[in-house]
Amino acid sequence: NAGVTQTPKFRILKIGQSMTLQCAQDMNHNYMYWYRQDPGMGLKLIYYSVGAGITDKGEVPNGYNVSRSTTEDFPLRLELAAPSQTSVYFCASSTGLAENTDTQYFGPGTRLTVL
Amino acid sequence: QKEVEQDPGPLSVPEGAIVSLNCTYSNSAFQYFMWYRQYSRKGPELLMYTYSSGNKEDGRFTAQVDKSSKYISLFIRDSQPSDSATYLCAVGVDSSYKLIFGSGTRLLVRP
Repeated sequence: NAGVTQTPKFRILKIGQSMTLQCAQDMNHNYMYWYRQDPGMGLKLIYYSVGAGITDKGEVPNGYNVSRSTTEDFPLRLELAAPSQTSVYFCASSTGLAENTDTQYFGPGTRLTVL
Repeated sequence: QKEVEQDPGPLSVPEGAIVSLNCTYSNSAFQYFMWYRQYSRKGPELLMYTYSSGNKEDGRFTAQVDKSSKYISLFIRDSQPSDSATYLCAVGVDSSYKLIFGSGTRLLVRP
C-alpha cells in the first residue's frame, strides 16, 4: 500500500491564481482530512469528509473548497490564492470505524508559496 | 485560551537523557490523547495514544495522562539522535475524528 499520497510536493503561485492540491489514499478509509501547518504552529483543520459525497468545514475553511466523489480521492481547491495561504498542506485519512484504535495517517505534505 | 497548549522549545538534550514533553488542554470532554512525531519536511506519524487517564508504555516511550490537571506528558528514555524531531500532542473526543493539535515541541538530541 502507498498509504496517503499528495501531489505536488512543492508549488509557487502568484496572487490570484488557482490550483488544486491532490490527495489519494489506498487504504479504503472512510474519513479524510485537510490540514495546514504554518511555521511554529500546530495543524489547523481546513475541511474533512466522512465518506464519498460528504464534506464539512473545519477550523479554517475560508479560501478553500473540497469535493469527495470517490472514497480514494479528496482534492483541495484554492481559488484566488493569497499570501496568507502560504503554508504546508497535509492530507490525512482514517477508518472512522474502530473504537479506541482508529488513527489518522498523514501524507508527506505539499509546500505552497503564494507570492 | 487555546484548547491545547504546548511549549514550542527547542529542547536540546545530550544523547541518553530522559526527555519530558508536555501539553495542557482546556476541555474536559477530551478522552483521547495522542503524540505524533514529525521529522523535518515529513508528515506527522502516530507515536503513542492513550484513552482516558493513566500511563501507556511502548519501548523507550511512555505516555501519561492526568485528566484532573488536564495535563499530558510524553517521556523518552535513553534518547537517541534519531529522536530529534518535532513532537505534536493531539486531543479529541474521538480517537481520530477532528483532533485538536498542539503547536509542537522541537526536540534535538545531541550525539
